[in-house]
Amino acid sequence: GAGVSQSPSNKVTEKGKDVELRCDPISGHTALYWYRQSLGQGLEFLIYFQGNSAPDKSGLPSDRFSAERTGGSVSTLTIQRTQQEDSAVYLCASSPTSGGGNTQYFGPGTRLTVL
Amino acid sequence: AQSVAQPEDQVNVAEGNPLTVKCTYSVSGNPYLFWYVQYPNRGLQFLLKYITGDNLVKGSYGFEAEFNKSQTSFHLKKPSALVSDSALYFCAVRGYSGAGSYQLTFGKGTKLSVIP
Repeated sequence: GAGVSQSPSNKVTEKGKDVELRCDPISGHTALYWYRQSLGQGLEFLIYFQGNSAPDKSGLPSDRFSAERTGGSVSTLTIQRTQQEDSAVYLCASSPTSGGGNTQYFGPGTRLTVL
Repeated sequence: AQSVAQPEDQVNVAEGNPLTVKCTYSVSGNPYLFWYVQYPNRGLQFLLKYITGDNLVKGSYGFEAEFNKSQTSFHLKKPSALVSDSALYFCAVRGYSGAGSYQLTFGKGTKLSVIP
């Protein structure tokens, strides 16, 4: 079946602009995660959604970052007033539930470059 | 807090030779352990995981990993390396329960180069 999809695959923006990154999880997966991969910090957890529960935003680096998940499916990660340090690959993952043994399946990522 | 260490930034191995990519972890209680592989400009691809049971776990593309509780290790192995195995490998851990147990904590990654 279809895997996790993300769009756009690449995004170049100017410092101070807002960007929106989209994630479409595997159909039927109730858990959705956002991670960020950067050279300096490696892979970092950002935010987690499980069904209709309130998301865990504990990994978001600043209040410029926000995310929503509509209808328990598609998720959008928004970065306001982008900074150069936001440049990274943003990865989305989904799993059937949030249970510990469940495998998280990753999308191809969105490479964000802030000029 | 949970953590993962991959002590080698890079591992070089000749094609046909066995390979090992090392991983040690720290987590409260019993761990769930995962290996992912990343090819250039691609997302993370799941290789294998340890949940419980047999300490030797077999995964995709001939890879296997051995869980060692006393040494808190989960090294990735393959009996005979292929040039196509050249990629970036990530070890990850998550705990059974507690705050943040649903999130994966990753190591820094190990770049594997298989030399023809």
